[in-house]
Amino acid sequence: DAGVIQSPRHEVTEMGQEVTLRCKPISGHDYLFWYRQTMMRGLELLIYFNNNVPIDDSGMPEDRFSAKMPNASFSTLKIQPSEPRDSAVYFCASSSRLAGVGGTGELFFGEGSRLTVL
Amino acid sequence: GQNIDQPTEMTATEGAIVQINCTYQTSGFNGLFWYQQHAGEAPTFLSYNVLDGLEEKGRFSSFLSRSKGYSYLLLKELQMKDSASYLCAVGSNYQLIWGAGTKLIIKP
Repeated sequence: DAGVIQSPRHEVTEMGQEVTLRCKPISGHDYLFWYRQTMMRGLELLIYFNNNVPIDDSGMPEDRFSAKMPNASFSTLKIQPSEPRDSAVYFCASSSRLAGVGGTGELFFGEGSRLTVL
Repeated sequence: GQNIDQPTEMTATEGAIVQINCTYQTSGFNGLFWYQQHAGEAPTFLSYNVLDGLEEKGRFSSFLSRSKGYSYLLLKELQMKDSASYLCAVGSNYQLIWGAGTKLIIKP
């Protein structure tokens, strides 16, 4: 398997623009997670899906952020309008089970999308 | 509240042994995880402990004491490629609570 695939790897945009990040999880994984990582706040869970259904979006910062998973092989994270404080690395991860449920629930991360908002 | 503490940075010498500690306070416990993250790359899974004791995997070992809310990651025979951040994470209510990570610097 190719692993979790994210695009774009790098995005530089101006404040106010719309940003769309994309993710293809590992085939057969029922869980998909969107994380944000910054030096100040570390890894933060934004939202996760189970079988394409959003389960917990309590980590989504505000209404400017939205995420969808129209099918088992594709998810998007959208920021509209973007702000400089959104600059971070956004990781998508997938797993076959939740942490500690009948096993490790190991997360497989994509290579991340580094977003810079000017 | 939920809290995970680990040192911000550690330095060790190639060929030596280093122990990275992690203490936690969480409302639930589904296991403790260690992930490795090289600079500019994604985190990758290293180990999982759900019962007390030591789990050994090659040069890496991970220890857990649930009663003390304590874990450590032990790296032996350090190599330059072990220079990375090591993230401690606790499964709580089946979600991962992440520590800020320990940046490990290996010197020749």
